[in-house]
Amino acid sequence: NVLTQSPGTLSLSPGERATLSCRASQSVNSNSLAWYQQKPGQSPRLLIFGASTRATGIPDRFSGSGSGTDFTLTISRLEPEDFAVYYCQQYGISPPLFTFGPGTKVDIK
Amino acid sequence: QVQLQESGPRLVKPSETLSLTCAVSGYSIRSGYYWGWIRQPPGKGLEWIGSVYHSAATYYNPSLKSRVSMSVDTSENQFSLKVNSVTAADTAVYYCARHTMVANLYFDYWGQGTLVTVSS
Repeated sequence: NVLTQSPGTLSLSPGERATLSCRASQSVNSNSLAWYQQKPGQSPRLLIFGASTRATGIPDRFSGSGSGTDFTLTISRLEPEDFAVYYCQQYGISPPLFTFGPGTKVDIK
Repeated sequence: QVQLQESGPRLVKPSETLSLTCAVSGYSIRSGYYWGWIRQPPGKGLEWIGSVYHSAATYYNPSLKSRVSMSVDTSENQFSLKVNSVTAADTAVYYCARHTMVANLYFDYWGQGTLVTVSS
């Protein structure tokens, strides 16, 4: 199951809304869809699991939605610390395999 | 607080074996969860390598399965990765991470990562 993320790069200003897309080549069970944030030189940080549940300590400006093959991560109002790369991840059972999307970079306009 | 720390040689010669260990603190591996390895070539995306359970059950990414092995040492609360016959394409930051295998499936705790370079 291949994950495609769009856009590749999103150039926005602080305070703006960011909408990131993750599309799967085959239907994904929502409980296996997660989103991560990665800043330069850091390990990925879990933001969203189960397609729409925020991980512990994640601000409510981050939200996830979607089902089937189309999922979205929304950042309602970008803060300076939100400029980073975002990855979606899914788990397939046959064969058991975690796959990640190629990432969307959110940078400062 | 769960913490993971990777360790191992930073430089490996082509055709040799890459070996890394992940030490876990703040949580007993015996208590559950799966323990995985993910890598990231410089400037590129994330690739799951495989995972191990405290029972030593393993499962690997089919694309790497022929060269990868993982093990767990519950007495030391750590788990390990070996990748044999490495090439320059195996140069990457290697992360260890904890993940669930029931209900929702995600990696919740990650190590800081260690850059392993394959070069003669």
